[in-house]
Amino acid sequence: DAKTTQPPSMDCAEGRAANLPCNHSTISGNEYVYWYRQIHSQGPQYIIHGLKNNETNEMASLIITEDRKSSTLILPHATLRDTAVYYCIVRVLSGNTPLVFGKGTRLSVIA
Amino acid sequence: NAGVTQTPKFQVLKTGQSMTLQCAQDMNHNSMYWYRQDPGMGLRLIYYSASEGTTDKGEVPNGYNVSRLNKREFSLRLESAAPSQTSVYFCASTQQSGANQPQHFGDGTRLSIL
Repeated sequence: DAKTTQPPSMDCAEGRAANLPCNHSTISGNEYVYWYRQIHSQGPQYIIHGLKNNETNEMASLIITEDRKSSTLILPHATLRDTAVYYCIVRVLSGNTPLVFGKGTRLSVIA
Repeated sequence: NAGVTQTPKFQVLKTGQSMTLQCAQDMNHNSMYWYRQDPGMGLRLIYYSASEGTTDKGEVPNGYNVSRLNKREFSLRLESAAPSQTSVYFCASTQQSGANQPQHFGDGTRLSIL
């Protein structure tokens, strides 16, 4: 799987949009971009995933650049409960390849 | 909505003791996974089971064994616990093992080995 690069930490004011970047410059054409988050002491939680089109669900939006070498996870109105470690993961389409977690970005939402 | 259930939530062992961590999912998922997470680190895959009756090694399988008891249950066994296995263990499941399927995680088992 391609490796990803994320900033180790970010702060965001409550109520503002949180924009979490991820670089995946060696991504292959058959690899998806996944985002998970882990709130303290809990198991990781799936947020969103995409291949090349932008995606939106009830939790977040995922913006993937045209060359697919980077992406941004957007939490439109961050709340204190969004404080967590956010993991950007790329994964091949076929086979039994597992998720490979890096160290992620620790997002702190500040009141 | 139970999802993925792990037992126990906490456990303390002495070096050399054995233990089995239990995991069950009620989503009729085919694939199940065991990860460990050390302080300040991301998750690392220990073993996985793509479907009932199959198991495969992940990144860090040494010192562990697994059993896919049935479609619902996937257990992780430490035969002779070592302090290096002190960690938080997460079980996960997904409908299929292909990439377009998100994994669902349990809340973890916190294991300390003295």
